[in-house]
Amino acid sequence: DIQMTQSPSSLSASVGDRVTITCRASQGISNYLAWYQQKPGKVPKLLIYAASTLQSGVPSRFSGSGSGTDFTLTISSLQPEDVATYYCQKYNSAWDLTFGGGTKVEIK
Amino acid sequence: QVQLVQSGAEVKKPGASVKVSCKASGYTFTSYGISWVRQAPGQGLEWMGWISAYNGNTNYAQKLQGRVTMTTDTSTSTAYMELRSLRSDDTAVYYCARDLSMIVVVITTKGDAFDIWGQGTMVTVSS
Repeated sequence: DIQMTQSPSSLSASVGDRVTITCRASQGISNYLAWYQQKPGKVPKLLIYAASTLQSGVPSRFSGSGSGTDFTLTISSLQPEDVATYYCQKYNSAWDLTFGGGTKVEIK
Repeated sequence: QVQLVQSGAEVKKPGASVKVSCKASGYTFTSYGISWVRQAPGQGLEWMGWISAYNGNTNYAQKLQGRVTMTTDTSTSTAYMELRSLRSDDTAVYYCARDLSMIVVVITTKGDAFDIWGQGTMVTVSS
């Protein structure tokens, strides 16, 4: 099975900072990657699909990039409402839609 | 509006079974697939499997093969997930989630991202 490794597992940054989260696949998955945001006690929310396509209604400060094995989620200017855990998910195979371990983002 | 509404919290004893429902509204139920995802307390997200609401085809996570069954009732636009032989480590919030894209190819080797999620159902397994 393909493993999805996120880093860091947690980070603390100031409001307005640029934040980057990395997701690495153990094998190539083309661009079949999604990013989700889960606020404390809430349901996950789709942010980005196909590695770089912003889901409708998601603020433009969120962006995604990458292809193959290495992917990044970037928040260009961190806002207080962005405090959440972020998960990547691969979906190149209909039999294995593995999530990464998550990255917890806090405000410094 | 498009939404998935799940059944309420459950408390089960080890060895028992649980069946969680997920009622869809606001879209054509048979045009999308539904996945089930669970989250143990304080832990990450775990994909459990997928069902086509078009024809009932299923794909299950290898870890749960033999213990999980996913079904749909197109007359009520409801998806179901049954998990058998429950253990304490099955304690989790269980979510249903809709595929982002409509079913175009009946047989596909690719999965999809999830754009609509149910509110979650807490299942507690305890003696």
